[in-house]
Amino acid sequence: NAGVTQTPKFRILKIGQSMTLQCTQDMNHNYMYWYRQDPGMGLKLIYYSVGAGITDKGEVPNGYNVSRSTTEDFPLRLELAAPSQTSVYFCASSMDPNYGYTFGSGTRLTVV
Amino acid sequence: KQEVTQIPAALSVPEGENLVLNCSFTDSAIYNLQWFRQDPGKGLTSLLLIQSSQREQTSGRLNASLDKSSGRSTLYIAASQPGDSATYLCAVNRGAQKLVFGQGTRLTINP
Repeated sequence: NAGVTQTPKFRILKIGQSMTLQCTQDMNHNYMYWYRQDPGMGLKLIYYSVGAGITDKGEVPNGYNVSRSTTEDFPLRLELAAPSQTSVYFCASSMDPNYGYTFGSGTRLTVV
Repeated sequence: KQEVTQIPAALSVPEGENLVLNCSFTDSAIYNLQWFRQDPGKGLTSLLLIQSSQREQTSGRLNASLDKSSGRSTLYIAASQPGDSATYLCAVNRGAQKLVFGQGTRLTINP
């Protein structure tokens, strides 16, 4: 049972480049989330999805886009990378948010 | 706006000591509170989840308490070990997919 898998683990982007952070889960969870964690800070919600075909903005959505075409996958897209997007990105999933979350191991992104 | 604060930001104690990590939140209208452990370069591992109707949860050497009226939660670690060294995060679930995190406490257990 793989849980929540994120790829890549590390990436360096140049300003203005684009990339997609991949997230997949094999637990048949309806709820999926993208968070970012800046140094010394807690996690902040970027986007979330309550099921295939449904997405919504979180606290810090600017500069990002998501899609949810299947239950398993929830990719996060950066269209025009900026230094402010340097962060560690975590994907999470849940069967029922009232009973906890499962997190991936993160993607460390540096924009130079 | 819900704010979650963890004090201290860092804590260093000798092996074998019992210790308490603190988490405070400003809005008592929560569904539950969850404690996570984060190891360097790794994701978050769920330790304990306390529903709003509960007062505490226990798992092994860990005990988490919740006092909604005062907006406080504590994570008690008994007989600390070097393997307990990590960053501990608390997060409050306000419903509507709103999981609000504290900044974390970086714990170091010295052999």
